[in-house]
Amino acid sequence: DAKTTQPTSMDCAEGRAANLPCNHSTISGNEYVYWYRQIHSQGPQYIIHGLKNNETNEMASLIITEDRKSSTLILPHATLRDTAVYYCIVRSQGAQKLVFGQGTRLTINP
Amino acid sequence: NAGVTQTPKFRILKIGQSMTLQCTQDMNHNYMYWYRQDPGMGLKLIYYSVGAGITDKGEVPNGYNVSRSTTEDFPLRLELAAPSQTSVYFCASSLNQGLGYTFGSGTRLTVV
Repeated sequence: DAKTTQPTSMDCAEGRAANLPCNHSTISGNEYVYWYRQIHSQGPQYIIHGLKNNETNEMASLIITEDRKSSTLILPHATLRDTAVYYCIVRSQGAQKLVFGQGTRLTINP
Repeated sequence: NAGVTQTPKFRILKIGQSMTLQCTQDMNHNYMYWYRQDPGMGLKLIYYSVGAGITDKGEVPNGYNVSRSTTEDFPLRLELAAPSQTSVYFCASSLNQGLGYTFGSGTRLTVV
């Protein structure tokens, strides 16, 4: 699976959109981009995933660049409860497992 | 649906003791996983299973064993606990390879 690069930490004001970038320049054609988050001491929570089209669900939007070398997770109206570590993971559909990196620690400030 | 249930939530073991971390899911998911997370670090895969009767090693399997006799249950066994196994253990499941995982709330294990 391709490696991903994320900023170590980010801050965002409550009520604003939080945009979390992820670089995956070595992604191959059959690899998906997955996002999870982990709120302090809890198990990780699946957010969203996509292949090449932009995706949206009730939690977030995922924007993947046309060349697929990077993506952005957007939390449209961040709340204090969105403070967490966010993991961007690249994985082929046939892969048996998910490999977690260090993630981005997002802090939402009041 | 209870989702993925892990027991116990906390445990302190002495060096050399053994224990089993329990994981059960009620979503009829085929795939199940065990991860460990050391303080300030990401998750590392210990073992996984693609269905009842089938298990395979992940990144850090040494010191652990698993079994998958039913679709619902995926226990993780520590035979001779060592301080290096102090960690938070998460169990997860997914219906198939492409979908998101559902994680349990974790077991915090301390080996002294």
